Amino acid sequence: GEDVEQSLFLSVREGDSSVINCTYTDSSSTYLYWYKQEPGAGLQLLTYIFSNMDMKQDQRLTVLLNKKDKHLSLRIADTQTGDSAIYFCAGLNSGNTPLVFGKGTRLSVIA
Amino acid sequence: DGGITQSPKYLFRKEGQNVTLSCEQNLNHDAMYWYRQDPGQGLRLIYYSQIVNDFQKGDIAEGYSVSREKKESFPLTVTSAQKNPTAFYLCASSKAHTTETQYFGPGTRLLVL
Repeated sequence: GEDVEQSLFLSVREGDSSVINCTYTDSSSTYLYWYKQEPGAGLQLLTYIFSNMDMKQDQRLTVLLNKKDKHLSLRIADTQTGDSAIYFCAGLNSGNTPLVFGKGTRLSVIA
Repeated sequence: DGGITQSPKYLFRKEGQNVTLSCEQNLNHDAMYWYRQDPGQGLRLIYYSQIVNDFQKGDIAEGYSVSREKKESFPLTVTSAQKNPTAFYLCASSKAHTTETQYFGPGTRLLVL
């Protein structure tokens, strides 16, 4: 089955770029997702990428997918204090199983 | 206004008591899910349902039960058999099962008295 790994913590200064990394094991993953969780709240879908894409950009967010290395990254440009949250990477394979989530990366933005 | 609602926001359980967490969606989604979140553990799947009157166990189903009598509703009961129920519980739904994005409710925090 799918396994998704993320580093647990990232700290950046306000205005800098943040890069959150994720690795996955199932090469048949058809969709890969990024979710954001603010304290005490549910998960908010940020973006997703199809496995046949290398990159997807949406305003300040850029998702890069390296299928060869099974590596997914989320870049947040001009990081703001409001971006402080936990970011989850999740994979969905072509089998009949629900999304598999990483443990989440806690992003702290220093003013 | 479409979305997923969970109630209550906070729930307290006494020893030996069963409690039920509510999850309702008006998105007309077929599939619904329950996750448990503990600090540093990420999300762990408890149960999921692809269609009314059908559900499957996830990775940590022991001590929990669910029902899916209506498309809109997927309540989770935390039974007395669950010895460590203190956690944040998240409900999600998706249009179908294998190919659709999941959308999450705001969560219920369960605490043991």
